[in-house]
Amino acid sequence: AQSVTQLGSHVSVSEGALVLLRCNYSSSVPPYLFWYVQYPNQGLQLLLKYTTGATLVKGINGFEAEFKKSETSFHLTKPSAHMSDAAEYFCAVSGVYSGGGADGLTFGKGTHLIIQP
Amino acid sequence: NAGVTQTPKFQVLKTGQSMTLQCAQDMNHEYMSWYRQDPGMGLRLIHYSVGAGITDQGEVPNGYNVSRSTTEDFPLRLLSAAPSQTSVYFCASRGTGWSQPQHFGDGTRLSIL
Repeated sequence: AQSVTQLGSHVSVSEGALVLLRCNYSSSVPPYLFWYVQYPNQGLQLLLKYTTGATLVKGINGFEAEFKKSETSFHLTKPSAHMSDAAEYFCAVSGVYSGGGADGLTFGKGTHLIIQP
Repeated sequence: NAGVTQTPKFQVLKTGQSMTLQCAQDMNHEYMSWYRQDPGMGLRLIHYSVGAGITDQGEVPNGYNVSRSTTEDFPLRLLSAAPSQTSVYFCASRGTGWSQPQHFGDGTRLSIL
């Protein structure tokens, strides 16, 4: 069965510092990969996705993620954190071989990003 | 575009009461899903639908019922509310194909007393 692991339920960085949120998936076949952001009292919004092609994917708000097949990873980064980046971030995978979620989707448990002034 | 619309945004129920959470999307998406979000547990799939007239169970279906009579609407029914169903509920929809992302509503915050 597919699984998604987000290392660290909470990550704290200083404003202006590099943001790195880790996501690893388990699959023998590369799935489709997504990062979502959830601001307080809101639903999830798509940050970026990887389907095929270029392994470095750029998203909204200055975030990007790199698909590394050999490491089965899809880590999310941003060069310089801003106070407005404080939110919950979810990594997700989908695909025909995604046996974890009944609807073909599997979400990680989320990482709460804290920005220190 | 309204996207995915959920109503109500907040609700308080007493144990044993029933209610329906409404979800509507205007993107003509075939796939629709209901999730619950609880602290430390991420998103858990309750029920989903791959088109009008077709529904199936997710990870935590007990105590919930769904139907899909139209492409646009996918209501979630709590049959007899229990305190364990206190949660935030999200409806989502997506287009056909594994590369299509989920579009989420803003959620319904439900408390069962």
